[in-house]
Amino acid sequence: DAGITQSPRYKITETGRQVTLMCHQTWSHSYMFWYRQDLGHGLRLIYYSAAADITDKGEVPDGYVVSRSKTENFPLTLESATRSQTSVYFCASSTGGGVGYTFGSGTRLTVV
Amino acid sequence: GEDVEQSLFLSVREGDSSVINCTYTDSSSTYLYWYKQEPGAGLQLLTYIFSNMDMKQDQRLTVLLNKKDKHLSLRIADTQTGDSAIYFCAELMNRDDKIIFGKGTRLHILP
Repeated sequence: DAGITQSPRYKITETGRQVTLMCHQTWSHSYMFWYRQDLGHGLRLIYYSAAADITDKGEVPDGYVVSRSKTENFPLTLESATRSQTSVYFCASSTGGGVGYTFGSGTRLTVV
Repeated sequence: GEDVEQSLFLSVREGDSSVINCTYTDSSSTYLYWYKQEPGAGLQLLTYIFSNMDMKQDQRLTVLLNKKDKHLSLRIADTQTGDSAIYFCAELMNRDDKIIFGKGTRLHILP
């Protein structure tokens, strides 16, 4: 299927566990992004990538790790999950040049 | 600092016009956007306006841009129940090519 897909759609994990959220896009967009959405904070950028093997920190990167070995995939790993990382996570991609981002449907993560 | 400001809530009667306002920070932003988020879904690009435009119309949507005041608005004519959503204003930061989002305005439609 064409587009940008995130998995899983919902995840419950325990404090201290490592968890990886997956993001896959089929357009070969250069840019990919990870945001978290929390009530009262809107969307906050966690990490972004301008191309394969190029990643950079966003506004709230602490506790997260990303990699981008292939253009189409941009997984986000929580190394040791904390309750404050309970959130809805959105992946997005873009060709750059101001055309805007295309978002995935999100992953709702609950850390208990 | 960088901040895109918009009111958090708006209630409008079905059939009336909705106007969602936003102020942004970077006077050199070349693109400004409106995204729509329906419950349980991701953000969907609704429309965008290039900075050399004052207005853009697309069916029921009208975007107005006042560069002097750094003010952006989205008008939805004949508001319908399907317009109930959160609307995000956003600007493209030229220096690093990233989009900064406002906190979103929740549009509630009254019968």
